Amino acid sequence: DVKVTQSSRYLVKRTGEKVFLECVQDMDHENMFWYRQDPGLGLRLIYFSYDVKMKEKGDIPEGYSVSREKKERFSLILESASTNQTSMYLCASSPAPGDNEDLKQFFGPGTRLTVL
Amino acid sequence: LAKTTQPISMDSYEGQEVNITCSHNNIATNDYITWYQQFPSQGPRFIIQGYKTKVTNEVASLFIPADRKSSTLSLPRVSLSDTAVYYCLVGLFFPGGSYIPTFGRGTSLIVHP
Repeated sequence: DVKVTQSSRYLVKRTGEKVFLECVQDMDHENMFWYRQDPGLGLRLIYFSYDVKMKEKGDIPEGYSVSREKKERFSLILESASTNQTSMYLCASSPAPGDNEDLKQFFGPGTRLTVL
Repeated sequence: LAKTTQPISMDSYEGQEVNITCSHNNIATNDYITWYQQFPSQGPRFIIQGYKTKVTNEVASLFIPADRKSSTLSLPRVSLSDTAVYYCLVGLFFPGGSYIPTFGRGTSLIVHP
C-alpha cells in the first residue's frame, strides 16, 4: 500500500514564526500536492509538484512556498505564519503525470496547524 | 473554467442505494472524472474514476452519460460506515491542463440506522 506520512499530526505555532510541514511518500510517485482544508470550504490546492525541483501554484499559494529536493519529500513552508493560516494541511501523492493517473491521489493523515 | 456542482448534503438509511450526482458542464475532452471519500479526521480516499459510460468496482459504480456533463456515483446498499463526505474531481493536473481540478466542498452523506 502507498504510504504518505506527514511530520506532525498537530502543531501549534506563534504569529510570525517560520513553519515547515514535511511530507514523505514511499511509492516513488512523481506528483505531490499540498492542500488545506477548512470547514465549509472543502479542500483547496496550495501547490503541487510533478518532479524534483519543479513546482506549480495551485488555487491559494499566497503566504506559502514549497520545496522538493528529493522525489519522496515535499515540504510546505509558511515564511511568516499568520492566524488565518490555522487549518488542516493535507499532503498527497499520485503516479506519473499524464492521462488519468495524476488524479488518483493518495493522502496523508493531515497536520492540524494552529497559529496563535 | 471548469467547475463541479454537487449537493451539499444527503441523507439515507442502511441498506438503501445512494446516488450522488455531480454536474460539470464545462468538462474538457481529455478530462477524467474521479470520486473520493473522506471520513472525519482523515485524508480523502480514491474511490472510482471514469471517462465515459459506466465503471464499476468493489466499492461503487460510476455512471457517465454520453455528453459527460454530469456523473453519478452509486453506492449500493449503504451502511453506517459509508457516512462520509464525497468529492467529485474533474480535470487533469498534467500535462499543462487548461484548469486545475478542484475538490470543492463535496457532498456530506449521512446514513441513518
